[in-house]
Order: sequence, then C-alpha cells, then structure tokens
Amino acid sequence: RKEVEQDPGPFNVPEGATVAFNCTYSNSASQSFFWYRQDCRKEPKLLMSVYSSGNEDGRFTAQLNRASQYISLLIRDSKLSDSATYLCVVNLPIYNQGGKLIFGQGTELSVKP
Amino acid sequence: EAGVVQSPRYKIIEKKQPVAFWCNPISGHNTLYWYRQNLGQGPELLIRYENEEAVDDSQLPKDRFSAERLKGVDSTLKIQPAELGDSAVYLCASSTGNSYEQYFGPGTRLTVT
Repeated sequence: RKEVEQDPGPFNVPEGATVAFNCTYSNSASQSFFWYRQDCRKEPKLLMSVYSSGNEDGRFTAQLNRASQYISLLIRDSKLSDSATYLCVVNLPIYNQGGKLIFGQGTELSVKP
Repeated sequence: EAGVVQSPRYKIIEKKQPVAFWCNPISGHNTLYWYRQNLGQGPELLIRYENEEAVDDSQLPKDRFSAERLKGVDSTLKIQPAELGDSAVYLCASSTGNSYEQYFGPGTRLTVT
C-alpha cells in the first residue's frame, strides 16, 4: 500500500463548480498534513496546511480525519486559474531526524469555461 | 527575495554518460532537499541536508547517484552513469529550521536516450 494515496483524476469541471479531492495515508504516526499545488511543468508550491479542526482559505477548505487517516480538499466556485495538479502531502516523523514529507501522486484538475 | 535556483533547466544525455545538477537554495535556508519526480507521480525524496550534513539519504541509489553540499549552501547532485530509467525532473527544495514549508526550484528535466 502506498504511504499517501489520492483520487486518480483527472477531474474535468465547469467554471463555478465545487470539486473535492480525497487522500488517505497509511502511517498513523503522521503528524502534519498539507496540500501543494503544481502547475503544468512548474514546481510544487504550498497551497495550505491541514489542521485537525479543519481550515478554510477563501474558496478552499481542507479537512482532516485522523481516525480514518483521511484528508480532503474542497474547492468552491472553481476558476479557470485553479487548473493544476493538487498534491496531498504528509509529514512522516523520523526519530531524531525531524520529519520527511511524503507526496501523493497528485490529482489533476481541469476547469473549463 | 530570490527563490531556489537550479541549473540546467533541461538536459539530454545518452545512457552511460554522467550528468550533474546544481542548486542554490534560498538565502538563510539551512535545510536542502533533492527530489525526483517521474511523470504522473509526486516528488520522491532522494536526499536531505541539514547544513553540510546529509541526514537522510536512504532513498538515494548510491551505486550511481552522489550528492554534496560542501559549504552548507549550494549543492550538486550527480548521476554516473545515467540509465534510461533516470529520465525525470530533479527538484531541489529548501526550508528553514523546523518549518514544514518547502520552497521548490523550477527543476531540471533530464532525458536519457
């Protein structure tokens, strides 16, 4: 089983749609969780951290369910500029070495006019 | 503030040839990472440096890959000899102290023919 697994995608949605991405992780010791965004042929960039209580940043909402080892990202009112690959990222604690970020394979989103 | 700088941006070599990638992290970032990203996958960590020390190189194929960060700033990743399966994007990232936010460079796209 992969350490971080995401919806395979791609997701093709019209402008204004609401879209949700799901992610599961295998190591229950994981402590920190993130969503990164990667535009085509560009580098990944941090979109938002994911907190246990859930957090919102404008049109983006991230949720964490530790019991189910599940993370989600909801995008409301999709814009053309939201088209990108969304990477689910989990920090795996390593004794005496801080942590190690494990990236999911990414879910591609394409927002159409 | 300048971001993470990588060179070259693209490299095409024949198999069995050597290749080197260079990275200059964001000023003041003591932690430096090298990742490999295959098409349709998320980045996978190859090696992490804390200043000059390689603290996690468990995923680095040491028979053909080597890396160095001699003065705790710039870093070089080398492959010798390259194989067809090494074709990928090689990403460098940096971060400060205990921050989980990593800043990525634009990557080097390697094609081995």
